Amino acid sequence: LAKTTQPISMDSYEGQEVNITCSHNNIATNDYITWYQQFPSQGPRFIIQGYKTKVTNEVASLFIPADRKSSTLSLPRVSLSDTAVYYCLVGDMYRNAGNMLTFGGGTRLMVKP
Amino acid sequence: DGGITQSPKYLFRKEGQNVTLSCEQNLNHDAMYWYRQDPGQGLRLIYYSQIVNDFQKGDIAEGYSVSREKKESFPLTVTSAQKNPTAFYLCASSTRHEQFFGPGTRLTVL
Repeated sequence: LAKTTQPISMDSYEGQEVNITCSHNNIATNDYITWYQQFPSQGPRFIIQGYKTKVTNEVASLFIPADRKSSTLSLPRVSLSDTAVYYCLVGDMYRNAGNMLTFGGGTRLMVKP
Repeated sequence: DGGITQSPKYLFRKEGQNVTLSCEQNLNHDAMYWYRQDPGQGLRLIYYSQIVNDFQKGDIAEGYSVSREKKESFPLTVTSAQKNPTAFYLCASSTRHEQFFGPGTRLTVL
């Protein structure tokens, strides 16, 4: 399983862009990169997923360099409600096996007024 | 409304008692999972099931048991053998691309 490393915590202010980087040096050819968001006492929810280059949806962008050994989640113009824990996961989605997705400690993002 | 339901939301147990946490999904997903989350920590996989009548141990299966008799249901039993069961328990089901989580059950051992 590809191990991921991400910062334990980050602080930001409302209206700023936040970039959270995740390292996954031993990512495998079939692995996808997925980011989840978790609020206290709730289950994580899917934010974005990608394989290479750049993916953008209505809430975030995901940048993946050519070597795929890292990825960066970009949250544009954050608000107080973006305060949460963000998890980076790497795994082979097509195997659909539970142990393909390992949640690490995540990055605690604190957005201040 | 499609989704995953977990019950109860809060559960209190006396030491030495077994307790069962419910997880139901109406998303027609084959795969289902149970995770445990301790305060300030990430999620750890307890058990997962890719199909009815089959399930596999995750990283921390000791002291837990599951069953998968129906596609929609994946109950988790926390047995007395689990030495430190107080935690937040999350159930999930998945497509090939995404896991969907329930609201969680907070278990407290008194």
